[in-house]
Amino acid sequence: DAGITQSPRHKVTETGTPVTLRCHQTENHRYMYWYRQDPGHGLRLIHYSYGVKDTDKGEVSDGYSVSRSKTEDFLLTLESATSSQTSVYFCAISESYEQFFGPGTRLTVL
Amino acid sequence: GIQVEQSPPDLILQEGANSTLRCNFSDSVNNLQWFHQNPWGQLINLFYIPSGTKQNGRLSATTVATERYSLLYISSSQTTDSGVYFCAVEQGGANNLFFGTGTRLTVIP
Repeated sequence: DAGITQSPRHKVTETGTPVTLRCHQTENHRYMYWYRQDPGHGLRLIHYSYGVKDTDKGEVSDGYSVSRSKTEDFLLTLESATSSQTSVYFCAISESYEQFFGPGTRLTVL
Repeated sequence: GIQVEQSPPDLILQEGANSTLRCNFSDSVNNLQWFHQNPWGQLINLFYIPSGTKQNGRLSATTVATERYSLLYISSSQTTDSGVYFCAVEQGGANNLFFGTGTRLTVIP
């Protein structure tokens, strides 16, 4: 299994609070991704990174920001969480074409 | 953006049966992957297959890029095959995958 961890694995928070999710890899892969999974939508890309300090938006980036200060860590921040951001968040990594996924973080915004 | 359609949306099989899952996509792609999401939510990479045929044990996949579809074959299904199977494709750069909505497979003992 690819060495990908996500923290926290579960989080319940209130509307309006900031939330940061962390993705950590031990594979030294160049690319890292954040997806969200919602019923009826499959997985949708939020943001991705193609190197340290190099990030770009995905399909559903509104309300999210990311940072990558080290190769191994990719942070996803919800500046002010909303109920529509209740979802399961997956991190993925890749070096070429194949993507490998972390275990996911279940976030509930009340 | 590119459209990815998977069929059937749901499939129930008796253990030991074979099945074929289909993925249609609306434009040419650079990358196509099949994933299995197990009942615990873990996404497992099954195949990277932008074209051609690959086999891994009881699973095989075929992508006909010129006709914009891919097939995932599961033979002699087992209860551990249950879960959701996703097809995902990428068109441009940076390997940004677009996922279908999946096929939910239930294998009954």
